[in-house]
Amino acid sequence: GENVEQHPSTLSVQEGDSAVIKCTYSDSASNYFPWYKQELGKGPQLIIDIRSNVGEKKDQRIAVTLNKTAKHFSLHITETQPEDSAVYFCAASMNRDNQGGKLIFGQGTELSVKP
Amino acid sequence: NAGVTQTPKFQVLKTGQSMTLQCAQDMNHNSMYWYRQDPGMGLRLIYYSASEGTTDKGEVPNGYNVSRLNKREFSLRLESAAPSQTSVYFCASNIAGGHNEQFFGPGTRLTVL
Repeated sequence: GENVEQHPSTLSVQEGDSAVIKCTYSDSASNYFPWYKQELGKGPQLIIDIRSNVGEKKDQRIAVTLNKTAKHFSLHITETQPEDSAVYFCAASMNRDNQGGKLIFGQGTELSVKP
Repeated sequence: NAGVTQTPKFQVLKTGQSMTLQCAQDMNHNSMYWYRQDPGMGLRLIYYSASEGTTDKGEVPNGYNVSRLNKREFSLRLESAAPSQTSVYFCASNIAGGHNEQFFGPGTRLTVL
């Protein structure tokens, strides 16, 4: 089955710097790659996603890139702010009829943005 | 709209006890999911229900059962709790299986002594 590896497990940056989180996946059939942000004591919330027919997607200060050949994708946060501090999860999914919306998550990255 | 709600928020059980975690969504979503979250392991899918009347195993189904009571409600049952089931449990839902945003509940923190 699919396996998703995420690095680093913790990341500390200064406010205004950029942060990059990387994930690799094992199943070349995966074709949907969302990123979730989890604030303390809350459930994860989708922040951006990318599909396999797209190489890059941006939404204001966040962007995701996908390299299908190498089977890795990354989250980029620019001009980080203290409110970006949270745990970030990558995930992968394949859209097969009998798979529903099954997401396989990475291990998570705890991002700390220091003022 | 309340979104996805879960009860209880916290629970402490003794080994061998049983309990049911409740989940409900008011977004008219077809698909619902149960995950567990453990430190350093991300979220792992326990069971999911692609549509009302269907349920399927996820990555870690052993020791759990589920019931899709109706379109709104999806419950998770631990028949005989074990310390290895100490975790934070999240319920999620989305419009339909596949490439759609999953909306998560606030979680249930379960401790099994």
